[in-house]
Amino acid sequence: TQLLEQSPQFLSIQEGENLTVYCNSSSVFSSLQWYRQEPGEGPVLLVTVVTGGEVKKLKRLTFQFGDARKDSSLHITAAQPGDTGLYLCAGGNNDYKLSFGAGTTVTVRA
Amino acid sequence: EAQVTQNPRYLITVTGKKLTVTCSQNMNHEYMSWYRQDPGLGLRQIYYSMNVEVTDKGDVPEGYKVSRKEKRNFPLILESPSPNQTSLYFCASSITGVNTEAFFGQGTRLTVV
Repeated sequence: TQLLEQSPQFLSIQEGENLTVYCNSSSVFSSLQWYRQEPGEGPVLLVTVVTGGEVKKLKRLTFQFGDARKDSSLHITAAQPGDTGLYLCAGGNNDYKLSFGAGTTVTVRA
Repeated sequence: EAQVTQNPRYLITVTGKKLTVTCSQNMNHEYMSWYRQDPGLGLRQIYYSMNVEVTDKGDVPEGYKVSRKEKRNFPLILESPSPNQTSLYFCASSITGVNTEAFFGQGTRLTVV
C-alpha cells in the first residue's frame, strides 16, 4: 500500500495546455517534496514545501501544500514539451524515512 | 562537481551470486539512502544512514545489507540475489535527512536471472 497516492498515473496533453497533478495521503508530513525524473536519470528536486497552506511558484510551476500537511498539488501552466517526465511527490517525517508516491508520467505533445 | 556516483550502471547476475553496488558522494552529506524503483510502485526506501556507523531499515530491507564506514561511501550488498530483486536502484544523499534536498545518483539497473 502506497503511503502517498498520486493521481493521475498518466497524463498526456497538448503544448500550451494546463495540467494538475495531485499527491494525497492520510498521514501528516513535516515536509513534502516534488521531483522530476527523466528516462535514464535519477530524480531531481523541484521544490520543498514545509508549511501547511504554503504555495510556491517556480516559473510556470505552482506547488501547494495542504493546510493539514497531508496533500499537495503541482500545477503547470502552458505546458511545454520540455515539461515531459515522471513527477514524483515525496513526504518526509522526523523518523528519517522518505516516502514516495508512485509517480505521474506527463507527456506534452508539440 | 557535486555528485552522487553509483557503480555499476548496469548489472546482470545469476541467482545466489553475491554482489555489491557502490555509492559515493562528494558533498560531505550526513544522510544517505538506497531506493529501488519498480513500475507502478515508485521509489521504495531500502536502507538509510544518518551518519557514519549509523544505519537503519527502510520499507523494503529484506535481502539487502548496507554499511557506512566512511561518510562518503554507502555500498548496497546483496548476499544472495534473487529474481525478485531485479529492479532499478538509486542511491541518494542529503545534508541532514529527509527534509533537505536529496541528490540522486544515476541509477543501477540490476537483472537477476
